[in-house]
Amino acid sequence: DAKTTQPPSMDCAEGRAANLPCNHSTISGNEYVYWYRQIHSQGPQYIIHGLKNNETNEMASLIITEDRKSSTLILPHATLRDTAVYYCIVHLPNAGGTSYGKLTFGQGTILTVHP
Amino acid sequence: GAVVSQHPSWVICKSGTSVKIECRSLDFQATTMFWYRQFPKQSLMLMATSNEGSKATYEQGVEKDKFLINHASLTLSTLTVTSAHPEDSSFYICSATNPGLAGVNNEQFFGPGTRLTVL
Repeated sequence: DAKTTQPPSMDCAEGRAANLPCNHSTISGNEYVYWYRQIHSQGPQYIIHGLKNNETNEMASLIITEDRKSSTLILPHATLRDTAVYYCIVHLPNAGGTSYGKLTFGQGTILTVHP
Repeated sequence: GAVVSQHPSWVICKSGTSVKIECRSLDFQATTMFWYRQFPKQSLMLMATSNEGSKATYEQGVEKDKFLINHASLTLSTLTVTSAHPEDSSFYICSATNPGLAGVNNEQFFGPGTRLTVL
């Protein structure tokens, strides 16, 4: 899986949009970009994923650049409960053999939402 | 849907004892389960991949005789930390997936984690 680079920490005011960047310059053509988050002392939670088109769901939006070398996760109206570590993971979902399903977590971005 | 539970949520044990952690998929059949370990202020590190009915595949540096994994059914995988020592104290997290459920996107569903403290 391609390596990702994320800022170690970010702050956001409650009610504002949180934009979390991720660089993945070595991504290959069939690798997806996944985002998970981990609230303190809990298991990770899936947020969103995409291949090359922008994606939106009830939690967030994912903007992937045209060259696919970077992406941005957008939480449109951050709340205090969105304070968590956000992980950007590049992954080949249908890899076979011993690589199937493996997710490689980096250090992520600690997002702190303040009142 | 797609809920994964872990039991216990936390455990304290004496050095030298063995501890079993259960991971259950509550509303789907998990053909593959993964076990991660997370030390304080660090990221998740994959320990092993567990496929139902077959032996687990361990990541490099993880002792298979110390961390016994059993995936005897499509809804249950267990991790047993044998002869636990203080350095095994960590947050253990499992995840589960099923290609038929997650489709080509291979979404994984994580349990809430188990905090192990070895005295």
